[in-house]
Amino acid sequence: GENVEQHPSTLSVQEGDSAVIKCTYSDSASNYFPWYKQELGKRPQLIIDIRSNVGEKKDQRIAVTLNKTAKHFSLHITETQPEDSAVYFCAASLAGGSYIPTFGRGTSLIVHP
Amino acid sequence: EAGVAQSPRYKIIEKRQSVAFWCNPISGHATLYWYQQILGQGPKLLIQFQNNGVVDDSQLPKDRFSAERLKGVDSTLKIQPAKLEDSAVYLCASSLGLADTYEQYFGPGTRLTVT
Repeated sequence: GENVEQHPSTLSVQEGDSAVIKCTYSDSASNYFPWYKQELGKRPQLIIDIRSNVGEKKDQRIAVTLNKTAKHFSLHITETQPEDSAVYFCAASLAGGSYIPTFGRGTSLIVHP
Repeated sequence: EAGVAQSPRYKIIEKRQSVAFWCNPISGHATLYWYQQILGQGPKLLIQFQNNGVVDDSQLPKDRFSAERLKGVDSTLKIQPAKLEDSAVYLCASSLGLADTYEQYFGPGTRLTVT
C-alpha cells in the first residue's frame, strides 16, 4: 500500500517568513495529492490539492509543487501570518473509481508574531 | 450547507466496555469515511462506504470494530470491547463520490478516552 512521509514534524517561523513542508510517497500510481489544515481542536480542512498532470498550483499565499519522478510534493506558504499556525497534513492517493487517501503524520507550524 | 455531524463529541469508557459513534454526512454525499486519529499522527482510514456498500475496510480491526451505513446515509462505528490503544479522535468525512471530485469534508470528531 501507499506510504507517505512528511517533514518536518515541527516548523517554527517568524511572521512574514515563508514556510515549506515536504512529503514523499511510495506508490508511483498515486495521482491526487491534497493538503489539509487542522487548527487546534478543530476538523481538518482542505486548503489546496494537486493532480499528477500538473507540476505546480497556487492559491494566493499558498502553493503546492509536485515532482512525480522523485515522488515528492511540497506545500509553500509565503508571508506567513499567526493565523497560519496549525497542523498541516499531506495525503496521497490513487484517485479513480474510489478515492482512498493515505495521510502523512502532520507538521505543526508555529508562526511567531 | 450543513456540515458533517458527529456525536458524541467526547466519550470516556473503561477498557473492555463498548462504545458507538454516529455520523451524519452532508446531504447528497455518497461516500463516507471513518478515520482514527491518534494524538500526533495523521488520520488513518478505518473504513470507506460508497452509498451503503463497503469500498475498503482493510485497516479496520474487525475483531473489535464494526461499522454500518444503513440506507446509505447515516453511519455508526462500534468498538467492542475497547482497548487502551483505541484512545483517539474518530473522524467521519464525506464526499460527493462523483468521478473526478475528491474533496473530503470532515466532521468535528469524537474524542475517545479508554481508561
